[in-house]
Amino acid sequence: AQKVTQAQTEISVVEKEDVTLDCVYETRDTTYYLFWYKQPPSGELVFLIRRNSFDEQNEISGRYSWNFQKSTSSFNFTITASQVVDSAVYFCALSEAWYGGATNKLIFGTGTLLAVQP
Amino acid sequence: NAGVTQTPKFQVLKTGQSMTLQCAQDMNHEYMSWYRQDPGMGLRLIHYSVGAGITDQGEVPNGYNVSRSTTEDFPLRLLSAAPSQTSVYFCASRETGMSYGYTFGSGTRLTVV
Repeated sequence: AQKVTQAQTEISVVEKEDVTLDCVYETRDTTYYLFWYKQPPSGELVFLIRRNSFDEQNEISGRYSWNFQKSTSSFNFTITASQVVDSAVYFCALSEAWYGGATNKLIFGTGTLLAVQP
Repeated sequence: NAGVTQTPKFQVLKTGQSMTLQCAQDMNHEYMSWYRQDPGMGLRLIHYSVGAGITDQGEVPNGYNVSRSTTEDFPLRLLSAAPSQTSVYFCASRETGMSYGYTFGSGTRLTVV
């Protein structure tokens, strides 16, 4: 069975601090996709990144970076020099491979509430 | 180019009432799904569909019905609303293929009193 664990329920940091959000996943599939979504106070879900299981390269996008390690089944998300606008709930999610016959289900973790204080 | 449209955005129901949450997408996506979001629980999959005429249960299907008569629409029905169904509901769709992500609607906030 697939499962995503975000052990950090809430994190509070002061602006300009770096913060890492942890994500650990479980799957028996050899091919799968991992995602991060941001949910700001307005409530919509904002797509941040998708990573497939064959690509373990770390990715950086501005102040955001992601560390994917298959050996530890982790896909952690780091925000460098956090800003108040980063305050949101962040969700990690897992989907099985998108080949014919797959159910395409997207399984979410319980989310981490990040509060960035000015 | 509306993406995924959910209606209504807000709804208050009395216990026992029925209603349908609407979800429509204009991207010709084959895969559609419904999630509910509750505090501390993340988003949990209710039902999903891999194409017109095909639906299946997710993690928390009890109390909800779905049908998929067209590619565009995937309504979620509450036959007899209960306070435990108070939640925020999200609809999502995805095109079949290796390179596409999921598109989410803006959500429906449902309160059952």
